[in-house]
Amino acid sequence: EVQLVESGGGLVQPGGSLRLSCAASGFTFSSYWMHWVRQAPGKGLVWVSRINSDGSSTSYADSVKGRFTISRDNAKNTLYLQMNSLRAEDTAVYYCARSGYYSQYHMDVWGKGTTVTVSS
Amino acid sequence: DIQMTQSPSSLSASVGDRVTITCRASQRISSYLNWYQQKPGKAPKLLIYAASSLQSGVPSRFSGSGSGTDFTLTISSLQPEDFATYYCQQSYSALWTFGQGTKVEIK
Repeated sequence: EVQLVESGGGLVQPGGSLRLSCAASGFTFSSYWMHWVRQAPGKGLVWVSRINSDGSSTSYADSVKGRFTISRDNAKNTLYLQMNSLRAEDTAVYYCARSGYYSQYHMDVWGKGTTVTVSS
Repeated sequence: DIQMTQSPSSLSASVGDRVTITCRASQRISSYLNWYQQKPGKAPKLLIYAASSLQSGVPSRFSGSGSGTDFTLTISSLQPEDFATYYCQQSYSALWTFGQGTKVEIK
């Protein structure tokens, strides 16, 4: 079964750091681009970041650029999001998602999400 | 960044109704437009990709159309399980963006 499982969320103080993980199974992880998408409480979806299949290319939303770093370990089938200088507005459920295989321009598999709360 | 604007923001409809949701991009995005469905407390689900291609396993009552700046998601006959929030998303630029969502509620 194709599956993505996020972990690493929790409560962190403003200015703090957190690293999210996304464990992939049921597919050849190293062949797919991967993404992080977040959703603040009661709000819509916001695309956060993307990494290509071998980790050589990344993109970030303006709101997180310079503070967040996406990475992957293809040997461990795991995607990461290192989040630094966290702000209250980063509070959200964070989803990892997979791009399609024949087309990388959509997200066809999603995890259930992990919750990040930034508060003092 | 490319801005995506959905209309309406919410709608009330009855089972069996034909429902149409529109999405407009702030610049031309060819057919790099996807539609997702999200139910409360759940992860989004891909419905339509590349503007009009139906994702495997998605019922045929869902369809998408459009190119350039104007796109449409149509549900031909609304079913009880279709009450949810729908999002469009562009993948034309390196920085992807979502619309603000359209909540489909029971009338």
